[in-house]
Amino acid sequence: GNSVTQMEGPVTLSEEAFLTINCTYTATGYPSLFWYVQYPGEGLQLLLKATKADDKGSNKGFEATYRKETTSFHLEKGSVQVSDSAVYFCALVQGAQKLVFGQGTRLTINP
Amino acid sequence: ETGVTQSPTHLIKTRGQQVTLRCSSQSGHNTVSWYQQALGQGPQFIFQYYREEENGRGNFPPRFSGLQFPNYSSELNVNALELDDSALYLCASSFRGGLSYGYTFGSGTRLTVV
Repeated sequence: GNSVTQMEGPVTLSEEAFLTINCTYTATGYPSLFWYVQYPGEGLQLLLKATKADDKGSNKGFEATYRKETTSFHLEKGSVQVSDSAVYFCALVQGAQKLVFGQGTRLTINP
Repeated sequence: ETGVTQSPTHLIKTRGQQVTLRCSSQSGHNTVSWYQQALGQGPQFIFQYYREEENGRGNFPPRFSGLQFPNYSSELNVNALELDDSALYLCASSFRGGLSYGYTFGSGTRLTVV
């Protein structure tokens, strides 16, 4: 079945550091890929998405490129802020069905 | 445009009891999905409703059931609660038939079973 594997956390960085959170997936066919963010005590917010190979999703300085050849969708940001501290989830969907999530990566940014 | 609203926000129940969680979908969305998020884990798909019928189910026992109403709002019912049912329950609405997937999540209901 479909699955998503994320870089294990927690990840702690200093403000203005470069961020990469790795995500790889297993799926048949061509899933759509997502990054969701969850702030403390809240639900999930869509951060960015990509629906086909080589698409780049971007939002709020975050970027991720759908790499079919490496089955990856790594999340990057050039300069993180304290307000980026949250849990980040990589996810995929095929058809109009369920989202399959990775286990989440907790990110803490220190001032 | 209203988002997804879930109620209640927090709930404490005793093992063996039954619980009903509610979700109002985002305006224009016709599909509702429910997810269970245990502490420190990613959300797990419970089931999805489309046109008031269950349209896909994850690996959850039959004591997890749901409903979708004509206005696309939804309920999640859990019978015979177990301690392991303690989790954050998330509702997500979407529009089936669109070319891109827009899943909007609510803030969740945190259920504690004691």
